[in-house]
Amino acid sequence: NAGVTQTPKFRILKIGQSMTLQCTQDMNHNYMYWYRQDPGMGLKLIYYSVGAGITDKGEVPNGYNVSRSTTEDFPLRLELAAPSQTSVYFCASSYPLDRGRDEQYFGPGTRLTVT
Amino acid sequence: KQEVTQIPAALSVPEGENLVLNCSFTDSAIYNLQWFRQDPGKGLTSLLLIQSSQREQTSGRLNASLDKSSGRSTLYIAASQPGDSATYLCAVFSRDSSYKLIFGSGTRLLVRP
Repeated sequence: NAGVTQTPKFRILKIGQSMTLQCTQDMNHNYMYWYRQDPGMGLKLIYYSVGAGITDKGEVPNGYNVSRSTTEDFPLRLELAAPSQTSVYFCASSYPLDRGRDEQYFGPGTRLTVT
Repeated sequence: KQEVTQIPAALSVPEGENLVLNCSFTDSAIYNLQWFRQDPGKGLTSLLLIQSSQREQTSGRLNASLDKSSGRSTLYIAASQPGDSATYLCAVFSRDSSYKLIFGSGTRLLVRP
């Protein structure tokens, strides 16, 4: 049981390039999330999904896109990378029995630098 | 709009000391509050989750309390060890938003041998 896995671990992009950050979970969780963490800050939600085929914006969605075609996978797409997208990206998943017990499990993160 | 604050931003203590990390939030309408540990270059590990109807949770040397009316939570670490050195993040699952956790900026803890 690997939990939440993310690839790649590190990536350097040039301004204007595009890439997809991969996220997979093997816990059969229906909820999945993408966060970014800037240096010395907490995490901010980019997008989330409550099930296959359903996605919605979080606090900071601009410059990103997501899709959820399967329960296991939740890729994050960066189009036209900008220096402001330099950050560490975390994927998380959960299976909330109810909102009070919604515990999120996090992947190890992808460290992205845009130059 | 929910905001989460953690004080202090950094803390250095000698090994063996008992310590308290603080978290405050502006809107008491929450589903739960969670404490996470983050090691350098690593992801987040969930330590404790306190539901809105609960007052505290305990796990080993860790005890987290929740006072919704005052918008405060504390994480108590007993008999600290160098292995406790990490950043501790507090996050609330707020009723005013759909499904997002609102995070504080964290407290960076160093336990000196």
